Amino acid sequence: GNSVTQMEGPVTLSEEAFLTINCTYTATGYPSLFWYVQYPGEGLQLLLKATKADDKGSNKGFEATYRKETTSFHLEKGSVQVSDSAVYFCALSPYNFNKFYFGSGTKLNVKP
Amino acid sequence: DTGVSQDPRHKITKRGQNVTFRCDPISEHNRLYWYRQTLGQGPEFLTYFQNEAQLEKSRLLSDRFSAERPKGSFSTLEIQRTEQGDSAMYLCASSLSKEGKNIQYFGAGTRLSVL
Repeated sequence: GNSVTQMEGPVTLSEEAFLTINCTYTATGYPSLFWYVQYPGEGLQLLLKATKADDKGSNKGFEATYRKETTSFHLEKGSVQVSDSAVYFCALSPYNFNKFYFGSGTKLNVKP
Repeated sequence: DTGVSQDPRHKITKRGQNVTFRCDPISEHNRLYWYRQTLGQGPEFLTYFQNEAQLEKSRLLSDRFSAERPKGSFSTLEIQRTEQGDSAMYLCASSLSKEGKNIQYFGAGTRLSVL
C-alpha cells in the first residue's frame, strides 16, 4: 500500500539554525513526492515536489531529494526564519495522480 | 486565478443535523478532491471527481456522506445525520489532469464542529 511517515514534532529552532524534517514512504509503483506547508488559518500550499528518483525539489531555500534506495524525501533548509513557523506535510501521489497520501505533519516553531 | 474557495469557513451544528459544504475550484481545473483533516493529523482522502464524474470514494466516506459536482465546476459535500466524530476540517483541492501539471491546490477548508 501507500503511506507516509514523518518525524513527530514540534520542532523548535532558533532563527538561522539548520532544519531537517524526516519523511519516509512506502508506495506501489513510482510515486511523485511533495512537501506542503500550512500556515495558521490557511490552506495547504505546495512548497516543493520531485517526480522521479534523484530529483531535487527546491523553493524558498527549502530542498528535498527523492531517494528511492532509502524511500525518503527529507526536507532541509540551511537557515530558518521566524516566518517559516508552520506545519509541514510530506505527501506522495501514486503514478496515476488520483489522490495524495499525507504524513501526519510536523510543526516547526522558529524563535527569534 | 482566485484559487480554490470553500464556503463556509466554519460550521457549528448539533448532532443529527445535515450540513452541506461548497467548493469552487480553480476555473480551468478538471479534477476536484475532498479530504478530511482531524487535529494533529494530515489530510485523508475522501473522494475525487474528474469533470462531473465521481471516480473514487474512500471507505471513510460512509453512506451519510455524499458529494456532487453536477456541472463539472463547483462541488458540494453533504453530511447527513451528523455525529460528533464528523468534527474535522474538510479540505477541497483541485488540479489539472495533464502530464506534469497534476499538482493539487488546496482551499482554506471548512471547519465543522458537531455539538
